[in-house]
Amino acid sequence: GQQLNQSPQSMFIQEGEDVSMNCTSSSIFNTWLWYKQEPGEGPVLLIALYKAGELTSNGRLTAQFGITRKDSFLNISASIPSDVGIYFCAGLGGATNKLIFGTGTLLAVQP
Amino acid sequence: GAGVSQSPSNKVTEKGKDVELRCDPISGHTALYWYRQSLGQGLEFLIYFQGNSAPDKSGLPSDRFSAERTGGSVSTLTIQRTQQEDSAVYLCASSRQLNTEAFFGQGTRLTVV
Repeated sequence: GQQLNQSPQSMFIQEGEDVSMNCTSSSIFNTWLWYKQEPGEGPVLLIALYKAGELTSNGRLTAQFGITRKDSFLNISASIPSDVGIYFCAGLGGATNKLIFGTGTLLAVQP
Repeated sequence: GAGVSQSPSNKVTEKGKDVELRCDPISGHTALYWYRQSLGQGLEFLIYFQGNSAPDKSGLPSDRFSAERTGGSVSTLTIQRTQQEDSAVYLCASSRQLNTEAFFGQGTRLTVV
């Protein structure tokens, strides 16, 4: 099925480092969402973005809705061990009403 | 309830049997989505329902898969004549309406033996 391109595929970092990941699409979206999934759990919504250019923060997380509406990034500052998980971007609206997911970024944080 | 609820949380079935997976969305949410996630993979869209509109079934992988949403609330995903490749986690999500943030349940882990 249709998916967004998400990078990097995986990241292995030291506690305290900052992290950046991004998603790109060939289609425009009206909404970008970022989720975190831990083993055995469903994805948990972290941040929702509704306007092109919008920059939104949630604690140590910051996400931006790209001005072209075809991309988004997520930054995590001062990572901690509990940040470990798989992060997914998702796009909604535009040409489709389906919630389309990125391929995921696996984050591992070493104490 | 407070969140999206899925049942069962785990299901082991024999190849060839039919299974039904249930999703209770957040109360008042008009949109409901089903996704499939194979081990170590991303989320594969299956179907979504929005209010009384015809569902978008474009992601269903074969005619063995079907889904219903009764009364605009509870949804059931049915897989007939299960195959081993159907083994995956099946996730349900709901949102207040289309184009708003979606919230996921914990999923049903299906294992076909």
